[in-house]
Amino acid sequence: EDKVVQSPLSLVVHEGDTVTLNCSYEVTNFRSLLWYKQEKKAPTFLFMLTSSGIEKKSGRLSSILDKKELFSILNITATQTGDSAIYLCAVEALAPLVFGKGTRLSVIA
Amino acid sequence: DAGVIQSPRHEVTEMGQEVTLRCKPISGHDYLFWYRQTMMRGLELLIYFNNNVPIDDSGMPEDRFSAKMPNASFSTLKIQPSEPRDSAVYFCASSPLGSYNEQFFGPGTRLTVL
Repeated sequence: EDKVVQSPLSLVVHEGDTVTLNCSYEVTNFRSLLWYKQEKKAPTFLFMLTSSGIEKKSGRLSSILDKKELFSILNITATQTGDSAIYLCAVEALAPLVFGKGTRLSVIA
Repeated sequence: DAGVIQSPRHEVTEMGQEVTLRCKPISGHDYLFWYRQTMMRGLELLIYFNNNVPIDDSGMPEDRFSAKMPNASFSTLKIQPSEPRDSAVYFCASSPLGSYNEQFFGPGTRLTVL
């Protein structure tokens, strides 16, 4: 059975800190890994990664994939209170997306 | 574009009642997905459609759950009879052809079964 595990489950940081969120996976026929941000309502798409070692970047967020070690990290630099959310990792394999349970990030002023 | 539209936003019902959740995907999107989210199990894919045809319903938990997509702009998820363990947030998402993993989620329906 395909599995996606995220760590930590929750994290509290101060504004300005840098955080690293982890996602490991065990799937058959990996195709891509995606990161989503979920604030109060629906998840919104952040990144899709398909190749190892190539960093995707959007503002203060960046992500990289390691297909050999089967994990991805999501980095957020200079965190702001608006970054508080649940960050979801999902993997596409033979079936469409299998989601991890998410990391709940709280950024306090 | 208004995005994915779901109704109702909240539903409270009693055990044994029939529940129907509705979704209007983004116009032009070829894929439609139904998910369920709970604290215990996270976000789970229930079923997805391509061009109105169900492709994979292996995530549908039981025969009490059924989903239809009669046309490109409308889908329903029905639970009959409902049980307390069905309480969750149900999301509908859609995506365009060629990038079906870049899914756009609706606001969700929070279902409470008493």
